[in-house]
Formats: sequence, C-alpha cells, structure tokens
Amino acid sequence: NAGVTQTPKFQVLKTGQSMTLQCAQDMNHEYMSWYRQDPGMGLRLIHYSVGAGITDQGEVPNGYNVSRSTTEDFPLRLLSAAPSQTSVYFCTSGQGPQREQFFGPGTRLTVL
Amino acid sequence: AQTVTQSQPEMSVQEAETVTLSCTYDTSESDYYLFWYKQPPSRQMILVIRQEAYKQQNATENRFSVNFQKAAKSFSLKISDSQLGDAAMYFCAYRRFQGAQKLVFGQGTRLTINP
Repeated sequence: NAGVTQTPKFQVLKTGQSMTLQCAQDMNHEYMSWYRQDPGMGLRLIHYSVGAGITDQGEVPNGYNVSRSTTEDFPLRLLSAAPSQTSVYFCTSGQGPQREQFFGPGTRLTVL
Repeated sequence: AQTVTQSQPEMSVQEAETVTLSCTYDTSESDYYLFWYKQPPSRQMILVIRQEAYKQQNATENRFSVNFQKAAKSFSLKISDSQLGDAAMYFCAYRRFQGAQKLVFGQGTRLTINP
C-alpha cells in the first residue's frame, strides 16, 4: 500500500511552459484534492474531487486544470506556467467527510 | 467563508519545557473538525491531533494536547516536554463536518527547540 504518491518531487519550468503534476492513491479513496503552500500563507486549496468524473474549484484555481477519469489518479495541469505558480504542491486523498485525509509528499515547483 | 489565524509566525522553547501554539478560527457552523499538522524539514505533512467540535473533551496524543474553546473559537496546541524532534512548522486547520474534505489552513508557526 503506497498511500498517496506525487511525481515529480522537484521541477523547474520556464515561463510559458506546460506540465502536469501527477497524484495517485491506491486506497480506493473517493475524495482527492490539490493544495499549494506559500510562505506566510499556509496551504490553500486549488481544486478538489469527490469522485471519478467530479471536480470543483477551490480557493485559488486560476491557472490550473484538473480532471478525474479514474478513482486512483488526480493530475494537476499547468497550461502556461507563471512565476507566481512557484510553490510547493500537495495532493491529498480520503474516504469521506468524517475520515482521515492523507497527504502526498509534495512537489516543489519553480517557474523561472 | 471560514478563516483560520495563527498569530505567532515563530516560537522557540527550551528542550524539555512546555510551549503553546495559538490558533483562532471563524465559522458560522456548529459541527466541524480542527487539526494540528506538523511539517518537518522533510516537507511531509504529519497529523498531530484532531478535535471534533461536538466533543467537549480536549483531544490528547501523548505529549500533545489541545485547549479547545468553542465559544471563543480558539484552538491552541500544547507540547509538553519538548524534544529536538518537535522542531517544525505547525499548521492549524479547519474542515467542515460534512461535504468534501476541504481544509482551511492557518499561516503556520515555526517552532524552534533550543538544546
């Protein structure tokens, strides 16, 4: 049982490049979400999903796209990276509202 | 919308002493969860303690305990017998009782342990 996995661990992009941050979980969890962590601001919700085919926006969705075609995977796409997207990104998964929420190890993204 | 505030960006404590980290929150809901997460330099988010708002009893996990004041919307974390391994960033977080697992985080408090 690998839990929540994120790839890559580190990434450097140039402004305007696109990329996908991968998140996968092997616990058959319905709920998954993406957060970004910035100094002095804690973690903020980007997008979330309550099941395959269902996604919704969080607090800071601009510049990011998501899809949830399977229960296991919840990729986060940056279509045209900007320096303001330099951050650490965390993926989480959980089984339901009253259940524990599990964090992935995070991805540190730098946009030059 | 719910908000969470941690007013202490940094705290320090002597090893073996006790330290309290503060957290206040704002919500109009009566049922919810509150959490304290620890983030060491490894970046991994580690759940320290969880409190259900409908429980009057304060949660405790070994050396970690909370002081949950629902009316005052305050949720502080007390670390007893501080150890060098407790050095980390600590985040207070709120989550609704129902619906998607959407966490609202405070800004974080960096805790330093002095040997």
